[in-house]
Amino acid sequence: KAGVTQTPRYLIKTRGQQVTLSCSPISGHRSVSWYQQTPGQGLQFLFEYFSETQRNKGNFPGRFSGRQFSNSRSEMNVSTLELGDSALYLCASSPTTGEPGNTIYFGEGSWLTVV
Amino acid sequence: DQQVKQNSPSLSVQEGRISILNCDYTNSMFDYFLWYKKYPAEGPTFLISISSIKDKNEDGRFTVFLNKSAKHLSLHIVPSQPGDSAVYFCAASSASKIIFGSGTRLSIRP
Repeated sequence: KAGVTQTPRYLIKTRGQQVTLSCSPISGHRSVSWYQQTPGQGLQFLFEYFSETQRNKGNFPGRFSGRQFSNSRSEMNVSTLELGDSALYLCASSPTTGEPGNTIYFGEGSWLTVV
Repeated sequence: DQQVKQNSPSLSVQEGRISILNCDYTNSMFDYFLWYKKYPAEGPTFLISISSIKDKNEDGRFTVFLNKSAKHLSLHIVPSQPGDSAVYFCAASSASKIIFGSGTRLSIRP
């Protein structure tokens, strides 16, 4: 059974540009969440989608957005990139949402560098 | 407002000894707790979890302890092995939200 797949793995963008990252969850998983990891900041929650609906949102500016498709695949978009957006962006999937014991499974992440 | 805190950014332990990683949380609504392990350039991998109705869960060399009154959980690894060198994240879950700590970098020295 394939794991969570994220593309692209590495990318470099210029300040002011926008970027779209893609995530394919584990087959059968309907919940997809996104996290940002920067040195010393741990894993910061961005948002979570379930059945194409955003269920939870973290404390990130509106430049960060996402969506989920009917096949559970998800994309996140960052517009007007800033240097501070350089980070590892992790996608995670789980079978359900809102239940105790909701273990999530991560992809390998997309490394974004903004120059 | 950090709801999940790992106050030790790093920890060095001799091979064969016990590694103890600590985590504190503030929200009493959390009902499930997880530990993840992360190697460089890889995504975090699930390690072990515990429900709030238990105080201990063991899986091989890994044991997680939960002290609800102190809002504290810990991960014990015994004996520690070189492959355990990684960053460990604790996480707390409530409803559909999972909050992660900032991580502790564990180094196992020979």
